[in-house]
Amino acid sequence: SQQGEEDPQALSIQEGENATMNCSYKTSINNLQWYRQNSGRGLVHLILIRSNEREKHSGRLRVTLDTSKKSSSLLITASRAADTASYFCAKGVTGTASKLTFGTGTRLQVTL
Amino acid sequence: DAGVIQSPRHEVTEMGQEVTLRCKPISGHDYLFWYRQTMMRGLELLIYFNNNVPIDDSGMPEDRFSAKMPNASFSTLKIQPSEPRDSAVYFCASSYHGGGQTDTQYFGPGTRLTVL
Repeated sequence: SQQGEEDPQALSIQEGENATMNCSYKTSINNLQWYRQNSGRGLVHLILIRSNEREKHSGRLRVTLDTSKKSSSLLITASRAADTASYFCAKGVTGTASKLTFGTGTRLQVTL
Repeated sequence: DAGVIQSPRHEVTEMGQEVTLRCKPISGHDYLFWYRQTMMRGLELLIYFNNNVPIDDSGMPEDRFSAKMPNASFSTLKIQPSEPRDSAVYFCASSYHGGGQTDTQYFGPGTRLTVL
């Protein structure tokens, strides 16, 4: 079964609003990463949070990790049209060195 | 560094033909991954290498697919014979496994394969 289902599958917001995406997983992880994919492009790494961390920030991005609930969230504050993309969470599963398991992604549309 | 380089960027071929996709990872990276992305199945890991050795090829769909990594700077993914259902975007990614923990993967721009 899929490791890491993103929720929602699609999200449409207006510029300036915040966007929150969620990711759930099923097995033990070493870390969880978020990636962005613009249409027709490869994935780009955004942020990594390790299993012993609960929250990380990077610019307008805030990631939380709740290992007891096996879930993570990505918050993009003050969204911009340029944030329009698909966002994927990827799990570094314990015991599978360097291998990541990607979720199904959230398609974010930010309109002016 | 130029990042992960993939070629060709687009490939259109006819059913039954052999297709070879190429990847040059970032210099110094010791892991290389091949993924396939489709609307129906999302992003699937096909195979990955560590120090040029295949570690896990359980994602390779069938014997028509094969991958090699003859040296640290080059890998190929071959499909022979190709079928229309192989149409997808194929990504190569590389990472450096420093400190014993999973690290960031750097993706190439992908090869869009269309099999007619």
